[in-house]
Parts: sequence; structure tokens; C-alpha cells
Amino acid sequence: EAGVAQSPRYKIIEKRQSVAFWCNPISGHATLYWYQQILGQGPKLLIQFQNNGVVDDSQLPKDRFSAERLKGVDSTLKIQPAKLEDSAVYLCASSPDRVLDEQFFGPGTRLTVL
Amino acid sequence: SQQGEEDPQALSIQEGENATMNCSYKTSINNLQWYRQNSGRGLVHLILIRSNEREKHSGRLRVTLDTSKKSSSLLITASRAADTASYFCAAYNAGNMLTFGGGTRLMVKP
Repeated sequence: EAGVAQSPRYKIIEKRQSVAFWCNPISGHATLYWYQQILGQGPKLLIQFQNNGVVDDSQLPKDRFSAERLKGVDSTLKIQPAKLEDSAVYLCASSPDRVLDEQFFGPGTRLTVL
Repeated sequence: SQQGEEDPQALSIQEGENATMNCSYKTSINNLQWYRQNSGRGLVHLILIRSNEREKHSGRLRVTLDTSKKSSSLLITASRAADTASYFCAAYNAGNMLTFGGGTRLMVKP
């Protein structure tokens, strides 16, 4: 079974630029998550989708972050404009159902904002 | 806010020794999960223990859960250099969001 795919793996941008990350979850998984992991900390949930609907985005900084999951499969996370404190690894995860399942994580995208 | 907090933050042991990591959480839970993260394989689910379970085993892993103390422990027996990684506990909060602790960084020296 193919795992969660993410691209790019690394991205370096200047502050105030915009950036987008892509995620392809495990086939058949209804739920998709985006996490932000700052160096030395645990992952923090940004947004959770069930199929193509948003379940929870309470921790997403909506003034600069946006995410979508068209057709209930792939998802993109965008930051516009980026700040220095956005430097982190952005992890995408999926699970078969939203009801308290284990989650399967992708390799992440390491973002550096200069 | 973090649901789980791991202790210790860092642990260094020799190969063959056992490693014990503890996790405390704040609110009632349905289940508690442990994940491992290393540079090679990313973040990987290790084991899930439900609130009505007290102990669970998986290979060299043993997890305990004490809901009265809101705490869990992860024991890795006969550790190997390949076990070097960060270990996170995670639990769902009231809003069904999986929240992670800050992790325990384990170093197993050959």
C-alpha cells in the first residue's frame, strides 16, 4: 500500500513570499490532516478534512494560511505571505475515518523562511 | 494546547538496556497513541491503547495506561541503536483533535 505523499520535500523562501504544499493521502482514506511541527516540538494540528469538508480549522492562522481538498482526495496548504516564524516541517496525515483512528503521516515538507 | 506531556525530554541509554518514557495528559480520553519519529522514516504510529485497557504489548513495546492518574508509559525492552528517535504520545481532546506532547528524544548508543 502506497503511503502518504507530499511535495516538495524542502522549500526555502524569503519572508512575505507565498508557498504551497501538496499532499496525496492513502487511497480510500476519508480524513486528511495538516500539521505544523516546529523544531524541538510535537506536531500541532492546523486543519482537518473529512472527505472534502473542513472538520476543524480552529488552529489555522486564517489571515495567512489556507487549505483546500478538492474532490476529497489531494490537498494543498498555502501560506501567503510567509513570516519567519512559519519555518517548520509541514506534515500531512490521513486516516480511514475520523473516529479516533491512528494516523498515517507523510514525510513532510521542511520550510525555511529567510 | 498540548494534551500530552512526555518525561523525560531526553534519554540516553546503552544498547540492550530498557527505555521507559512517561506521558501525562490533561483531559479524559478515548484512547492514547504513541508515535515514533526519526529522520529516516518520519512519524510512524507505534501503538494505540484504549481508555478501558490497562496494558498492551507489541513486540518489544509495552504500554500502560492509568486513567485515574491521567498517565501512560512506553517501555522499549532490549533497545537497539535503530530505536534512536523521538517518541510522542498523542491523545484526542474534547474536540476530537489529536494533540501531541513535546516528545522524548531517545538516544541508544551501540
